[in-house]
Amino acid sequence: DGGITQSPKYLFRKEGQNVTLSCEQNLNHDAMYWYRQDPGQGLRLIYYSQIVNDFQKGDIAEGYSVSREKKESFPLTVTSAQKNPTAFYLCATGAGVAGYTFGSGTRLTVV
Amino acid sequence: GESVGLHLPTLSVQEGDNSIINCAYSNSASDYFIWYKQESGKGPQFIIDIRSNMDKRQGQRVTVLLNKTVKHLSLQIAATQPGDSAVYFCADNMEYGNKLVFGAGTILRVKS
Repeated sequence: DGGITQSPKYLFRKEGQNVTLSCEQNLNHDAMYWYRQDPGQGLRLIYYSQIVNDFQKGDIAEGYSVSREKKESFPLTVTSAQKNPTAFYLCATGAGVAGYTFGSGTRLTVV
Repeated sequence: GESVGLHLPTLSVQEGDNSIINCAYSNSASDYFIWYKQESGKGPQFIIDIRSNMDKRQGQRVTVLLNKTVKHLSLQIAATQPGDSAVYFCADNMEYGNKLVFGAGTILRVKS
């Protein structure tokens, strides 16, 4: 995946639980992004970070939280406030005005 | 345009035919455009990009056309193969510079 590692590949969450999805990159890209994708649908931006120690809400941030303590890492926590978390989550990195590099995704299922 | 939770349109083509996938963008200030291919269960992969100072760019079996007058982008795939079956997304950088905005996506199905 071009230097982006998302883990785990599959994740199961019980109702009311918080879970954290990992995204690590070795591309030395400043910007990192989290997207949610529901079956048969497009990409929706959850959070993004253009620089370490700074991040911004995307279009659907409610029920999610992030941190950016290191350039290489941008973990996403799906909190119990997210009522419909079952989806495919994609992390991406970017550098300048150029395309993003995407990870291979984490599929989260509520059980 | 933005991905807004709508189900994706589907384009079905016969193997060997050419495919044309279309995309409209909204902001005339966008100066960078890109196409991604996403296979089932995987992350999107870069196909081709184009900057606003160009009208056309060609890659291997793919061509991107940019019409700034009507804010329209298209991806042409020559001699479509079963391995081309995927979801295709366009994206542009609108007025945010480095941040991309993705279109809703189109499902391409190749019939053998």
